[in-house]
Amino acid sequence: DAKTTQPPSMDCAEGRAANLPCNHSTISGNEYVYWYRQIHSQGPQYIIHGLKNNETNEMASLIITEDRKSSTLILPHATLRDTAVYYCIEVLTQGGSEKLVFGKGTKLTVNP
Amino acid sequence: NAGVTQTPKFQVLKTGQSMTLQCAQDMNHEYMSWYRQDPGMGLRLIHYSVGAGITDQGEVPNGYNVSRSTTEDFPLRLLSAAPSQTSVYFCASSLRGIGGYTFGSGTRLTVV
Repeated sequence: DAKTTQPPSMDCAEGRAANLPCNHSTISGNEYVYWYRQIHSQGPQYIIHGLKNNETNEMASLIITEDRKSSTLILPHATLRDTAVYYCIEVLTQGGSEKLVFGKGTKLTVNP
Repeated sequence: NAGVTQTPKFQVLKTGQSMTLQCAQDMNHEYMSWYRQDPGMGLRLIHYSVGAGITDQGEVPNGYNVSRSTTEDFPLRLLSAAPSQTSVYFCASSLRGIGGYTFGSGTRLTVV
C-alpha cells in the first residue's frame, strides 16, 4: 500500500499558484519524495523529486518540511493544461531496485 | 529518440487466450516496469527489472510473466486471459533509478 496521504481533490483558479500537500510521516532517511502527474488517461509524467532540500525545476517547486514528514508541490501559475491527477510517492530502494507505489493521488482541477 | 513505446494501443481478448504486450525503450535505461491501472484507481506494479536478465515481482504479479533478454525490451505475457485482467497497462523505464521514470502511452486491454 502507498504510504503517502493526499487530499482526493483540489481546485485552483487559472493563473494562481496551486499548492498540493502530501503527508509521508513514516518516510525513512534514504527515501526520496517523487511527484508525478497523469493527465486524463495518458501515462504518468515525472514532475520533480527531493530528499530533504527544497527543489525547483521548470515545471514546479517542491517544499519539504524539516522533519520530512510532509511536502508541498507548487505549480506557480496554474494553467488549464495542469488539470490532472497528481501523485506523491515515496521511492522505495531495496538492493538497487526501485519500485514506485502509487496511491490514489489528488485530482487537481484548474478553473478558468 | 522515441522514449517508451508500447504496442498494441488497444486489444480485445477472449477469456483463456494468451498474448504479449510489447514495451521498448531507446534511452538505454536499466530499470523497466509494468503497471496496471483500473478505473478510478492508482497504478499497481506488476513486474519490474533492474537490467537484462533480472526480473522481480511487484504487487500484482499473478497471471503475468515477464522476461528481459535485452536492455531495450520488456514484454509482458498474459498466460490465460481473465476478465479481471481488463485494465490499462503502462510500461515505464528509468536510468538506474536516477531521476524519474518515463512512461509509455499505455495499452488498453479488454478481456471478454
